[in-house]
Amino acid sequence: GNSVTQMEGPVTLSEEAFLTINCTYTATGYPSLFWYVQYPGEGLQLLLKATKADDKGSNKGFEATYRKETTSFHLEKGSVQVSDSAVYFCALSKETSGSRLTFGEGTQLTVNP
Amino acid sequence: NAGVMQNPRHLVRRRGQEARLRCSPMKGHSHVYWYRQLPEEGLKFMVYLQKENIIDESGMPKERFSAEFPKEGPSILRIQQVVRGDSAAYFCASSLTGEGNQPQHFGDGTRLSIL
Repeated sequence: GNSVTQMEGPVTLSEEAFLTINCTYTATGYPSLFWYVQYPGEGLQLLLKATKADDKGSNKGFEATYRKETTSFHLEKGSVQVSDSAVYFCALSKETSGSRLTFGEGTQLTVNP
Repeated sequence: NAGVMQNPRHLVRRRGQEARLRCSPMKGHSHVYWYRQLPEEGLKFMVYLQKENIIDESGMPKERFSAEFPKEGPSILRIQQVVRGDSAAYFCASSLTGEGNQPQHFGDGTRLSIL
């Protein structure tokens, strides 16, 4: 079946540090890949997505590239801010209609001033 | 705000009672998904519905849980005879087309606590 594996957290960084959160997946065919962010007490917000191999999703300084050869979708940001502190979820969905999202376990990021 | 609306935000029930969680999708969306998030874990799929139809309920526990999305009104996730293990955050999401490459938009969730 489908699965998503994220690097274990929590991750603690200083402001302006470089961020990488690793995500690898297992799926047949050509899934779409997503990163969602969850702030305390809130629901998930879509951060970025990529729907085919070699696509790069980007938003708010975050980037992730769909690498089919390594089945990866690592999240990166060049300079994190305190306001980026949240839980980050990698997820996939299959290309067929009505596809559920399969999530990783989430990575807690804390950015200190 | 035309986002996904869930209510209540917090719900407390005693063991054996019923819990009803409501979800109104984004305007124009007719595809609704329910997910459960246990403490310190990721989200797990429960059920996918379109108006008046359950499309995929493979993630729903076989007993005590049911879901509906009537022609009029919000989607309802119903848990009968709740137990302590049902304590979790329940999230609803909606999408425009139900296609796998379309993002799902999430509500803020209902946090269910069982005493």
